Amino acid sequence: GAVVSQHPSRVICKSGTSVKIECRSLDFQATTMFWYRQFPKKSLMLMATSNEGSKATYEQGVEKDKFLINHASLTLSTLTVTSAHPEDSSFYICSAREVSGRHNEQFFGPGTRLTVL
Amino acid sequence: GNSVTQMEGPVTLSEEAFLTINCTYTATGYPSLFWYVQYPGEGLQLLLKATKADDKGSNKGFEATYRKETTSFHLEKGSVQVSDSAVYFCALTPNQAGTALIFGKGTTLSVSS
Repeated sequence: GAVVSQHPSRVICKSGTSVKIECRSLDFQATTMFWYRQFPKKSLMLMATSNEGSKATYEQGVEKDKFLINHASLTLSTLTVTSAHPEDSSFYICSAREVSGRHNEQFFGPGTRLTVL
Repeated sequence: GNSVTQMEGPVTLSEEAFLTINCTYTATGYPSLFWYVQYPGEGLQLLLKATKADDKGSNKGFEATYRKETTSFHLEKGSVQVSDSAVYFCALTPNQAGTALIFGKGTTLSVSS
């Protein structure tokens, strides 16, 4: 149980295009999902907290107009990187927190490798 | 504020060696503490956790004890295997609903046979 999937696992796009990444909780409902960015040899940086049915809360320094987050249901959150540039190339990871039980435990997706040419 | 500091890597060990990866934290209140592992090419997996002082988390031969007096949560394993090669992240979350994990920078472990 407690599986989180991400799609796509890997994407290459041209500079200026937009890319959508999906994060799904497959066997549980998640009121809260988190989006992280992982740089090479560095830790995970929280980008935003996504709550079902409401606007995402972005961390300081993260452009909300560039990284659009939608949490339309209790099992799906999407991150859209708009007008992507090479500096947006990174590993994006989502996590989901269960509605009930497993206090404070989060389950992570396998990540999406974005490469912007 | 809340933060996690873990020892710099990489850590290189021979199979069956003893492993310690240090982790200390700064937090207000009483956070929950976690160790996550990331195997090459995979996402993060929860390795173990502890939610209150003196709790010991354990899994797959790994252990860590929540030490409030030293604000530490060091990861240990008595005998590592090649398959333990991965990046290990210490993390905390304040005990408030809906809050994100705060991660350390990760420690790369490489075990050779």
